[in-house]
Amino acid sequence: QVTLKESGPVLVKPTETLTLTCTVSGFSYSNARVGVSWIRQPPGKALEWLAHIFSNDEKSYSTSLKSRLTISQDTSRSHVVLTMTNMDPVDTATYYCARITGSGWSFYFDYWGQGTLVTVSS
Amino acid sequence: SYELTQPPSVSVSPGQTASITCSGDKLGDKFACWYQQKPGQSPVLVIFQDNKRPSGIPERFSGSNSGNTATLTISGTQAMDEADYYCQAWDSSTAKGVLFGGGTKLTVL
Repeated sequence: QVTLKESGPVLVKPTETLTLTCTVSGFSYSNARVGVSWIRQPPGKALEWLAHIFSNDEKSYSTSLKSRLTISQDTSRSHVVLTMTNMDPVDTATYYCARITGSGWSFYFDYWGQGTLVTVSS
Repeated sequence: SYELTQPPSVSVSPGQTASITCSGDKLGDKFACWYQQKPGQSPVLVIFQDNKRPSGIPERFSGSNSGNTATLTISGTQAMDEADYYCQAWDSSTAKGVLFGGGTKLTVL
C-alpha cells in the first residue's frame, strides 16, 4: 500500500525557513521515473506545484519560487525534505507531497498525502 | 510563461453529461491529466495521459486532448461527482516543470 505523509510545523513566523518532511512507504523508489513532489494550495485557491525529485536525484523547481526552495531525499528514499526560505503570510497554504510517475513527456501524481496546513503569522 | 486556463465553474443536472475544458497553447502536443478534489480532501487522479483511467475510477470519467484544449467528460453525472477539478500538464519547455490549471468547480444541481 502506497502512503505518503507530510510533517512539519503548523505555524511559522515571517522571514523564517519552513522545513517539511514527506515520509513515503509502499512503493519502489528504484524506478528512475518515480519520485516525490511537493504541491501547495492556499485556502480556497488552486493547486501550485513547487518541486520534485526523482530516485536518480534529478530535481526540478517552480520557476517563480526556485530561489527559495530546496528539495532533498535521504539515501533510503524514505523521506523527502522541502525547505522554503523567507516565509511570508502569502505562503500560508496546505502543503501536499505526492508521488510523481510517468514516462516520456507524461508525468502525473497518482498518490497524495493528506496535506499539512502551514500558517505564516507573527 | 505557459498557462492552463479552466472555467471557474460548470453546472450539470444529475444524469447529464458534464464537460470541463482546459486550454493552453498547443496543449494537444502535451499530455494532460485531471484531478478531482472534494472539500477537505486531497486531490485524486481521475485521468492521466489524456484519456486513461486509473484503477478504481468509474467508466463515466473520460478525457480527450487535441489542438489547444483538453476536456474532461463525466457521463451520467452523479451527485458524488460534485467537486473541484484541476487539469495538469508537464511542461518540457520550463526545465521539466509541472503546470496546473486554475480549477473548475463542478456543481450537480
